Amino acid sequence: GENVEQHPSTLSVQEGDSAVIKCTYSDSASNYFPWYKQELGKRPQLIIDIRSNVGEKKDQRIAVTLNKTAKHFSLHITETQPEDSAVYFCAASIMDSGGYQKVTFGTGTKLQVIP
Amino acid sequence: EAQVTQNPRYLITVTGKKLTVTCSQNMNHEYMSWYRQDPGLGLRQIYYSMNVEATDKGDVPEGYKVSRKEKRNFPLILESPSPNQTSLYFCASSSLPGGLSDTQYFGPGTRLTVL
Repeated sequence: GENVEQHPSTLSVQEGDSAVIKCTYSDSASNYFPWYKQELGKRPQLIIDIRSNVGEKKDQRIAVTLNKTAKHFSLHITETQPEDSAVYFCAASIMDSGGYQKVTFGTGTKLQVIP
Repeated sequence: EAQVTQNPRYLITVTGKKLTVTCSQNMNHEYMSWYRQDPGLGLRQIYYSMNVEATDKGDVPEGYKVSRKEKRNFPLILESPSPNQTSLYFCASSSLPGGLSDTQYFGPGTRLTVL
């Protein structure tokens, strides 16, 4: 099955600096890569996603890049703010034999933005 | 308001005492999933359902059962809970298969402790 590795597991940045979280996946058939943000004690929420036919996607201060050849994708947060502090999960999604789009999550990155 | 609800939110039980965690969604979604979240392991899928009476195993199904008798409900059943099932559980639903959607909604989570 699909295996998703995520690094780093923890990341501390100064407010205003950029943060980068990297993920690799194992199955080249994966075609959808969402990123989730989970604030302390809350449920994961989708913040951005990218499909395999796109190399980069941006939404205000966050962007995601995808390198299909190398099978890795990254989340970039610019001008970080204290409210960006959370755990971030990457995921890779692939269609299984039953037609279900199965998603596999990375192990998470705890981001701390220091004011 | 579109939402996924889970009950109970917190549960402490003892080894071997059967329990059920309920999940309900009001969005008429076909696809529903159960995940468990453990420190350092991210979110791992337990079971998923593509429609009424259509369920399949995820990555960590051992010790769990599910049923999908109605479209809106997807209960998670632990017939004989053990301490290694102590975890934070999330139910999720989506209008498109699995993770291929920007409308995958997570429930608020159920924190289960098995003594």
